[in-house]
Amino acid sequence: DADVTQTPRNRITKTGKRIMLECSQTKGHDRMYWYRQDPGLGLRLIYYSFDVKDINKGEISDGYSVSRQAQAKFSLSLESAIPNQTALYFCATSRGPGELFFGEGSRLTVL
Amino acid sequence: SQKIEQNSEALNIQEGKTATLTCNYTNYSPAYLQWYRQDPGRGPVFLLLIRENEKEKRKERLKVTFDTTLKQSLFHITASQPADSATYLCALDLTGGGNKLTFGTGTQLKVEL
Repeated sequence: DADVTQTPRNRITKTGKRIMLECSQTKGHDRMYWYRQDPGLGLRLIYYSFDVKDINKGEISDGYSVSRQAQAKFSLSLESAIPNQTALYFCATSRGPGELFFGEGSRLTVL
Repeated sequence: SQKIEQNSEALNIQEGKTATLTCNYTNYSPAYLQWYRQDPGRGPVFLLLIRENEKEKRKERLKVTFDTTLKQSLFHITASQPADSATYLCALDLTGGGNKLTFGTGTQLKVEL
Protein backbone atom coordinates (compact mmCIF):
# COMPACT_ATOMS: atom_id res chain seq x y z
CA ASP A 1 0.00 0.00 0.00
CA ALA A 2 1.14 3.55 -0.73
CA ASP A 3 2.51 5.58 2.18
CA VAL A 4 0.61 8.69 1.03
CA THR A 5 -2.82 7.96 -0.44
CA GLN A 6 -4.97 10.47 -2.27
CA THR A 7 -8.63 10.09 -3.16
CA PRO A 8 -10.14 10.48 -5.65
CA ARG A 9 -7.42 9.96 -8.26
CA ASN A 10 -9.56 11.54 -10.96
CA ARG A 11 -12.60 13.76 -10.71
CA ILE A 12 -14.65 15.71 -13.21
CA THR A 13 -17.05 18.24 -11.81
CA LYS A 14 -19.00 21.32 -12.80
CA THR A 15 -18.47 24.97 -11.97
CA GLY A 16 -19.92 25.90 -8.59
CA LYS A 17 -19.81 22.41 -7.08
CA ARG A 18 -18.08 21.69 -3.77
CA ILE A 19 -15.20 19.25 -4.03
CA MET A 20 -13.08 17.57 -1.38
CA LEU A 21 -9.77 15.89 -2.04
CA GLU A 22 -8.57 13.63 0.71
CA CYS A 23 -5.10 12.61 1.76
CA SER A 24 -4.07 10.01 4.29
CA GLN A 25 -0.58 8.87 5.27
CA THR A 26 0.94 5.94 7.12
CA LYS A 27 4.39 7.46 7.52
CA GLY A 28 3.70 8.98 10.94
CA HIS A 29 4.82 12.42 9.79
CA ASP A 30 3.55 15.56 11.46
CA ARG A 31 3.91 17.82 8.43
CA MET A 32 1.48 17.66 5.53
CA TYR A 33 1.15 19.81 2.41
CA TRP A 34 -1.15 20.40 -0.55
CA TYR A 35 0.35 21.45 -3.89
CA ARG A 36 -1.18 22.00 -7.30
CA GLN A 37 0.67 21.47 -10.55
CA ASP A 38 -0.10 23.20 -13.81
CA PRO A 39 1.82 22.87 -17.09
CA GLY A 40 4.54 25.51 -17.26
CA LEU A 41 3.93 26.72 -13.70
CA GLY A 42 5.34 23.86 -11.72
CA LEU A 43 4.24 22.87 -8.25
CA ARG A 44 2.71 25.61 -6.14
CA LEU A 45 1.97 25.36 -2.42
CA ILE A 46 -1.70 25.79 -1.45
CA TYR A 47 -1.75 25.01 2.29
CA TYR A 48 0.49 23.29 4.78
CA SER A 49 0.16 21.96 8.30
CA PHE A 50 3.05 21.28 10.67
CA ASP A 51 0.85 19.52 13.22
CA VAL A 52 -2.83 18.83 13.89
CA LYS A 53 -3.47 22.26 15.38
CA ASP A 54 -1.40 24.18 12.84
CA ILE A 55 -2.78 25.29 9.45
CA ASN A 56 -1.02 27.79 7.22
CA LYS A 57 -1.72 29.39 3.87
CA GLY A 58 0.69 28.82 1.08
CA GLU A 59 1.36 30.70 -2.11
CA ILE A 60 -2.08 30.24 -3.70
CA SER A 61 -4.70 29.59 -0.99
CA ASP A 62 -7.55 31.72 -2.38
CA GLY A 63 -10.55 29.56 -3.29
CA TYR A 64 -9.33 26.64 -1.18
CA SER A 65 -9.72 25.49 2.41
CA VAL A 66 -8.21 22.60 4.36
CA SER A 67 -8.96 20.45 7.36
CA ARG A 68 -6.44 18.45 9.40
CA GLN A 69 -8.67 15.80 10.93
CA ALA A 70 -5.85 13.81 12.49
CA GLN A 71 -2.10 13.44 12.21
CA ALA A 72 -2.67 11.08 9.29
CA LYS A 73 -5.38 12.97 7.41
CA PHE A 74 -5.34 16.30 5.57
CA SER A 75 -8.21 17.27 3.26
CA LEU A 76 -8.39 20.01 0.65
CA SER A 77 -11.76 21.56 -0.23
CA LEU A 78 -12.88 23.71 -3.11
CA GLU A 79 -16.06 25.36 -1.84
CA SER A 80 -17.22 26.47 -5.27
CA ALA A 81 -15.07 25.04 -8.02
CA ILE A 82 -14.15 27.14 -11.04
CA PRO A 83 -12.52 26.08 -14.33
CA ASN A 84 -9.12 27.61 -13.52
CA GLN A 85 -8.87 25.19 -10.60
CA THR A 86 -8.49 22.42 -13.13
CA ALA A 87 -5.10 20.96 -12.24
CA LEU A 88 -3.19 18.02 -10.81
CA TYR A 89 -3.21 18.18 -7.01
CA PHE A 90 -0.59 16.56 -4.82
CA CYS A 91 -0.50 15.86 -1.13
CA ALA A 92 2.89 15.49 0.52
CA THR A 93 4.29 14.74 3.97
CA SER A 94 7.58 15.30 5.74
CA ARG A 95 9.11 14.49 9.10
CA GLY A 96 10.64 17.93 9.33
CA PRO A 97 12.75 20.15 7.08
CA GLY A 98 13.97 18.04 4.17
CA GLU A 99 12.56 15.32 1.98
CA LEU A 100 8.93 15.46 0.94
CA PHE A 101 6.96 12.27 0.26
CA PHE A 102 4.28 12.79 -2.37
CA GLY A 103 1.07 10.97 -3.12
CA GLU A 104 0.17 9.86 -6.62
CA GLY A 105 -1.92 12.92 -7.30
CA SER A 106 -5.58 13.80 -7.86
CA ARG A 107 -6.49 15.05 -11.31
CA LEU A 108 -9.37 17.50 -11.09
CA THR A 109 -11.27 18.84 -14.08
CA VAL A 110 -13.79 21.63 -13.58
CA LEU A 111 -16.14 22.13 -16.51
CA SER B 1 10.88 38.43 -5.89
CA GLN B 2 12.23 34.98 -5.16
CA LYS B 3 12.69 32.90 -8.23
CA ILE B 4 13.89 29.47 -9.25
CA GLU B 5 14.86 28.85 -12.86
CA GLN B 6 15.31 25.57 -14.63
CA ASN B 7 15.79 25.16 -18.35
CA SER B 8 12.31 24.66 -19.75
CA GLU B 9 13.62 23.09 -22.93
CA ALA B 10 13.88 19.33 -22.94
CA LEU B 11 17.37 17.86 -22.78
CA ASN B 12 17.97 15.00 -25.21
CA ILE B 13 21.11 12.92 -24.74
CA GLN B 14 22.45 9.60 -25.90
CA GLU B 15 22.54 6.58 -23.65
CA GLY B 16 25.80 6.33 -21.74
CA LYS B 17 26.48 10.06 -21.76
CA THR B 18 26.36 12.35 -18.74
CA ALA B 19 23.27 14.53 -18.39
CA THR B 20 23.70 17.88 -16.66
CA LEU B 21 20.71 19.88 -15.49
CA THR B 22 20.84 23.40 -14.05
CA CYS B 23 18.91 25.12 -11.29
CA ASN B 24 19.42 28.83 -10.68
CA TYR B 25 17.84 30.90 -7.94
CA THR B 26 17.78 34.56 -7.04
CA ASN B 27 17.58 36.80 -4.02
CA TYR B 28 17.96 34.25 -1.29
CA SER B 29 20.51 32.03 0.43
CA PRO B 30 18.74 28.74 1.19
CA ALA B 31 20.00 26.40 3.84
CA TYR B 32 19.59 23.45 1.46
CA LEU B 33 18.43 22.53 -2.01
CA GLN B 34 16.63 19.38 -3.12
CA TRP B 35 16.23 17.49 -6.38
CA TYR B 36 13.21 15.38 -7.30
CA ARG B 37 12.30 13.13 -10.20
CA GLN B 38 8.79 13.14 -11.67
CA ASP B 39 7.39 10.68 -14.18
CA PRO B 40 4.30 11.63 -16.23
CA GLY B 41 1.13 11.56 -14.12
CA ARG B 42 3.03 10.53 -10.97
CA GLY B 43 4.07 12.33 -7.82
CA PRO B 44 7.61 13.68 -7.51
CA VAL B 45 10.14 11.38 -5.87
CA PHE B 46 12.98 12.72 -3.75
CA LEU B 47 16.50 12.11 -5.04
CA LEU B 48 19.05 14.21 -3.18
CA LEU B 49 19.38 17.04 -0.68
CA ILE B 50 22.49 19.21 -0.50
CA ARG B 51 23.17 21.69 2.29
CA GLU B 52 24.68 25.15 1.90
CA ASN B 53 27.97 24.03 3.46
CA GLU B 54 28.29 21.08 1.06
CA LYS B 55 29.88 21.65 -2.32
CA GLU B 56 28.96 18.27 -3.77
CA LYS B 57 26.89 15.22 -2.98
CA ARG B 58 26.74 11.84 -4.70
CA LYS B 59 24.31 8.93 -4.78
CA GLU B 60 25.08 6.08 -7.14
CA ARG B 61 25.09 7.63 -10.64
CA LEU B 62 23.78 10.97 -9.39
CA LYS B 63 25.87 13.98 -8.41
CA VAL B 64 24.68 17.36 -7.22
CA THR B 65 26.76 20.50 -6.75
CA PHE B 66 25.72 23.62 -4.91
CA ASP B 67 27.44 26.96 -5.52
CA THR B 68 25.96 29.52 -3.13
CA THR B 69 28.06 32.30 -4.68
CA LEU B 70 26.68 31.68 -8.17
CA LYS B 71 23.28 30.73 -6.66
CA GLN B 72 23.28 27.62 -8.79
CA SER B 73 22.97 23.87 -8.45
CA LEU B 74 24.01 21.37 -11.09
CA PHE B 75 22.50 17.90 -11.23
CA HIS B 76 24.46 15.23 -13.09
CA ILE B 77 23.43 11.73 -14.14
CA THR B 78 26.41 9.72 -15.33
CA ALA B 79 26.15 6.72 -17.67
CA SER B 80 22.60 7.73 -18.45
CA GLN B 81 20.00 5.11 -19.37
CA PRO B 82 16.60 5.35 -21.11
CA ALA B 83 15.04 4.63 -17.69
CA ASP B 84 16.43 7.96 -16.51
CA SER B 85 14.04 9.76 -18.85
CA ALA B 86 11.79 11.92 -16.67
CA THR B 87 11.30 15.49 -15.50
CA TYR B 88 13.71 16.65 -12.81
CA LEU B 89 12.68 19.34 -10.35
CA CYS B 90 14.79 21.40 -8.01
CA ALA B 91 13.29 22.81 -4.84
CA LEU B 92 14.28 25.37 -2.23
CA ASP B 93 12.80 26.75 0.94
CA LEU B 94 12.95 30.40 -0.03
CA THR B 95 11.34 31.58 3.17
CA GLY B 96 13.73 30.09 5.66
CA GLY B 97 10.69 28.94 7.61
CA GLY B 98 11.36 25.24 7.52
CA ASN B 99 10.29 23.21 4.51
CA LYS B 100 7.91 25.45 2.66
CA LEU B 101 9.47 24.31 -0.57
CA THR B 102 9.26 26.29 -3.77
CA PHE B 103 9.76 24.16 -6.86
CA GLY B 104 11.23 25.00 -10.22
CA THR B 105 9.18 24.12 -13.28
CA GLY B 106 11.49 21.23 -14.05
CA THR B 107 13.59 20.07 -16.97
CA GLN B 108 12.51 17.10 -19.04
CA LEU B 109 15.32 14.66 -19.79
CA LYS B 110 15.11 12.18 -22.65
CA VAL B 111 17.77 9.52 -22.92
CA GLU B 112 17.88 7.94 -26.35
CA LEU B 113 19.32 4.59 -27.38
